[in-house]
Amino acid sequence: GAVVSQHPSRVICKSGTSVKIECRSLDFQATTMFWYRQFPKKSLMLMATSNEGSKATYEQGVEKDKFLINHASLTLSTLTVTSAHPEDSSFYICSASIGDRQETQYFGPGTRLLVL
Amino acid sequence: DAKTTQPPSMDCAEGRAANLPCNHSTISGNEYVYWYRQIHSQGPQYIIHGLKNNETNEMASLIITEDRKSSTLILPHATLRDTAVYYCIAILNTNAGKSTFGDGTTLTVKP
Repeated sequence: GAVVSQHPSRVICKSGTSVKIECRSLDFQATTMFWYRQFPKKSLMLMATSNEGSKATYEQGVEKDKFLINHASLTLSTLTVTSAHPEDSSFYICSASIGDRQETQYFGPGTRLLVL
Repeated sequence: DAKTTQPPSMDCAEGRAANLPCNHSTISGNEYVYWYRQIHSQGPQYIIHGLKNNETNEMASLIITEDRKSSTLILPHATLRDTAVYYCIAILNTNAGKSTFGDGTTLTVKP
């Protein structure tokens, strides 16, 4: 149980375009999901906390207009990288927690974004 | 979250026990110790967590010192597939999973 999927697994796009990444909890409902980014050989950096039915909470230094997060249902959160630039190229990972065991995170497999 | 300190890298022979240490000397009474691992180019995987008592599951054992200032993750019989970056995190039980990842320990299991 507690499987989280992400789609797409990898995407290449042109500079200036927008890219949407989906995060789904497959066998549980997730009131809270988290979005991380990870640069090569670096640790995960939390970008934002996504709450179902409400606005996301962004970490300091993360542009909310650049990284749009929508959590429309208990099983789906999306991250849209708007007007992508090469410096947005990264590994984006989502995670979800279950109900009253919210400390434990279940991570998606990640999405590798390359902006040309 | 309390700051955690881990050695940057460790090696382990295949079939042997891998003991990964973590220091969390400023941990507060209601912070859990969590361990995750990340195999190259994959999302992190939950391993185990604990508060005060030692814990064991099908993947690993977690030994927490009595003063809770440090802990050790034990993989009893390491395999090549256990090669990964292992992250130790101290997190409040009310923090809804908002974890701060440090640099972790890169464990290399060698044949």
